[in-house]
Amino acid sequence: DSGVTQTPKHLITATGQRVTLRCSPRSGDLSVYWYQQSLDQGLQFLIQYYNGEERAKGNILERFSAQQFPDLHSELNLSSLELGDSALYFCASSVALDSYGYTFGSGTRLTVV
Amino acid sequence: EDQVTQSPEALRLQEGESSSLNCSYTVSGLRGLFWYRQDPGKGPEFLFTLYSAGEEKEKERLKATLTKKESFLHITAPKPEDSATYLCADKNSNDYKLSFGAGTTVTVRA
Repeated sequence: DSGVTQTPKHLITATGQRVTLRCSPRSGDLSVYWYQQSLDQGLQFLIQYYNGEERAKGNILERFSAQQFPDLHSELNLSSLELGDSALYFCASSVALDSYGYTFGSGTRLTVV
Repeated sequence: EDQVTQSPEALRLQEGESSSLNCSYTVSGLRGLFWYRQDPGKGPEFLFTLYSAGEEKEKERLKATLTKKESFLHITAPKPEDSATYLCADKNSNDYKLSFGAGTTVTVRA
């Protein structure tokens, strides 16, 4: 157990739907990162939050959004889902805004049918 | 944008057959080169961070080295439990994030 908790572990939903993925960082970590991993793309950075504020943005689609709450847990919202959004979504956390390496959760596997 | 390229894509080894994985990076202001191990359906697990050319780090049968444009992960006398995908990532001077390569999937047969 890495200390980073992601729920749910698996999610199957239909095209056009909206889902929310949840992440609780390790105790004491203030930064949360979201990554998408698909078979043909590898691990792609989506977005980073630090202590409730968005601090870095990667290749995140406009249909996707995220936030970090006062208790530091984070949610990734995916809407108008397409078949191509099927992937593993990982959350990682670190202590600082600019940390050297972070700890990953076990991921949420999203399947869009 | 910096690019991280790993080779080979896949590696099949016999138990005890040592080999090396390559990770090349293009970023000029490298602030760290990272190696992670990922088992199927699980999150990446941190192995090493290297900061400057010439640096080496070891953990059990794994040894990571860094040059100015490449990093190598040497697997010495591998065992079946070393089977996994090994990911490398870099961190540049302008970013908080890690940029990952596509990974090398290592299979070690008994």
